[in-house]
Amino acid sequence: AQSVTQLGSHVSVSEGALVLLRCNYSSSVPPYLFWYVQYPNQGLQLLLKYTTGATLVKGINGFEAEFKKSETSFHLTKPSAHMSDAAEYFCAVTPDSGNTPLVFGKGTRLSVIA
Amino acid sequence: NAGVTQTPKFQVLKTGQSMTLQCAQDMNHEYMSWYRQDPGMGLRLIHYSVGAGITDQGEVPNGYNVSRSTTEDFPLRLLSAAPSQTSVYFCASRINWAADGQPQHFGDGTRLSIL
Repeated sequence: AQSVTQLGSHVSVSEGALVLLRCNYSSSVPPYLFWYVQYPNQGLQLLLKYTTGATLVKGINGFEAEFKKSETSFHLTKPSAHMSDAAEYFCAVTPDSGNTPLVFGKGTRLSVIA
Repeated sequence: NAGVTQTPKFQVLKTGQSMTLQCAQDMNHEYMSWYRQDPGMGLRLIHYSVGAGITDQGEVPNGYNVSRSTTEDFPLRLLSAAPSQTSVYFCASRINWAADGQPQHFGDGTRLSIL
């Protein structure tokens, strides 16, 4: 069975600082990996996804994530935080074979301090 | 282009009442699902459907019913509301069931409080 672990339920960074949100997954088969963002009182929006090919994936709003199979990780980064990045971020996984629903991590709330 | 539309946006119920949360999508997506979001718990899958007439249970199905009579609509029914069902409910859709990296599209959620 798949699972997703997001380390840190709350991360706080200063404006302009590096953002690093951690995601580790467990899957018995190669996975598809996603990061979603949820702004207050809104639904989830896709930030980026990894399916196959290049392991460094670029998404919207300057975010990127790197798939590291050896570490079973898919950490989300952004070089310079902006106040508008304050939101909740969810990592999700689904295997690339077989039919199972998307499994989400518990989420990480990002606060950006001026 | 409406995407995934959920109604109502807010609802307050009394314990024991029943209600239906509506979800509609206009993208001709075969796969639809319902999640509940609770603080510190992330999103947990309630029920999902791979196409009209086909539904299946997710992680937390107890107390909820679904049906899928059309491709567009996937309502979620609370049979007898309990305070433990106080949550934010999200409906999501995807082109189809195949696990080929297609993203899910989410509605804006229904905030449900049960007193």
